[in-house]
Amino acid sequence: DIQMTQSPSSLSASVGDRVTITCRASQTISSYLNWYQRKPGKAPKLLIYASSTLQSGVPSRFSGSGSGTDFTLTISSLQPEDFATYYCQQSYSTPYTFGQGTNLEIK
Amino acid sequence: QVQLQESGPGLVKPSETLSLTCSVSGGSISNYYWTWIRQPPGKGLEWIANIYNSGSTSYNPSLKRRVTMALDASRNQLSLRLSSLTAADTAVYYCAREGCTSGSCNGYFDLWGRGTLVTVSS
Repeated sequence: DIQMTQSPSSLSASVGDRVTITCRASQTISSYLNWYQRKPGKAPKLLIYASSTLQSGVPSRFSGSGSGTDFTLTISSLQPEDFATYYCQQSYSTPYTFGQGTNLEIK
Repeated sequence: QVQLQESGPGLVKPSETLSLTCSVSGGSISNYYWTWIRQPPGKGLEWIANIYNSGSTSYNPSLKRRVTMALDASRNQLSLRLSSLTAADTAVYYCAREGCTSGSCNGYFDLWGRGTLVTVSS
């Protein structure tokens, strides 16, 4: 299985901050990397797929980059509704695997 | 708008078989890959299996001996059966749709249910 390692596991930030979350794959996955946001009691939400493609309806302050083994999710200016848990996921090969999550908290 | 709703027993006993259903409303189940994913308390997300409307399935090797996924197009429902349950199977179980672009489905999940908590305990 491809192992996905996210960092940091938790992050405190303020509204308006620029935030970056990283995800590393244990082997090359080309650009088959996706990002999700999850809030308590709600369905997880796809933010970005194929490393850098913004899902329809997702605000442009979210962006993704990377290829091979190293990837980043950036939120350019944090909004109150962005405080949540974020997960990366590889779709290069089954079994699809996820990072352990990054909990983004209000400072 | 397409919505997914998981349903299940909530509490099951060790060694028993879990049966979950995912109802798809607002759209057809056809021509997509559908997936089950779970998250044990305090742990990460785990991909369990997927199925295409042709009935073609793929299972996580770690669960393959115990899991069966099926699709009922007439009811617009998915199902998951997981046998020989242990406490380690306690988790929130999600159904999700795999996103497709120009007829190609690429392993990302563009639509999720809210999940159903399953507790394995005597």
